[in-house]
Amino acid sequence: SAVISQKPSRDICQRGTSLTIQCQVDSQVTMMFWYRQQPGQSLTLIATANQGSEATYESGFVIDKFPISRPNLTFSTLTVSNMSPEDSSIYLCSAPQGADLNNEQFFGPGTRLTVL
Amino acid sequence: GENVEQHPSTLSVQEGDSAVIKCTYSDSASNYFPWYKQELGKRPQLIIDIRSNVGEKKDQRIAVTLNKTAKHFSLHITETQPEDSAVYFCAARGGSNYKLTFGKGTLLTVNP
Repeated sequence: SAVISQKPSRDICQRGTSLTIQCQVDSQVTMMFWYRQQPGQSLTLIATANQGSEATYESGFVIDKFPISRPNLTFSTLTVSNMSPEDSSIYLCSAPQGADLNNEQFFGPGTRLTVL
Repeated sequence: GENVEQHPSTLSVQEGDSAVIKCTYSDSASNYFPWYKQELGKRPQLIIDIRSNVGEKKDQRIAVTLNKTAKHFSLHITETQPEDSAVYFCAARGGSNYKLTFGKGTLLTVNP
């Protein structure tokens, strides 16, 4: 299975500031996905990060709030901008293994964000 | 878009009993149905999956069944153990996009 790491694992931030979360995969993958998981809830897709093109955002999520970079096939960042307490959540990156988008999808360990 | 419903939201069983979690999906183009187990504070872990060309798949104590006509799929855990206690999520993926849509999760508690 693909090995996915994230940094930081957790952070406590002040409202109005921004945090950039990094996601590293141990092999090249075609797509990377960013999810949000609020306490006790399911996983909600924020956006799909494609290498060489703009990220595709889901309804309710916008680029100004969650800018995403995908500079190569093993790395992506998600920034949570102008944070408010409502952004407190776990943010997870995910990717199907390898180049085949039909492969199994694995998750990073998540970044636990608390906004004060 | 796809909508995945999952039931029950909580399930408590005695050790050794079986547990069944059911999901329905709305998009007939969906063709891949994974199940994830998430322990407290951990990442979702893929435990089993099934594709639309198969009706059933087993892996030791875990099995998944798929009914494409009715658009539902189920997770079956036999001989449950306390370490099976976790939140289980079903998901569906397919069509022209490769996004996973998740159910709301089932908190399974296995009592010793």
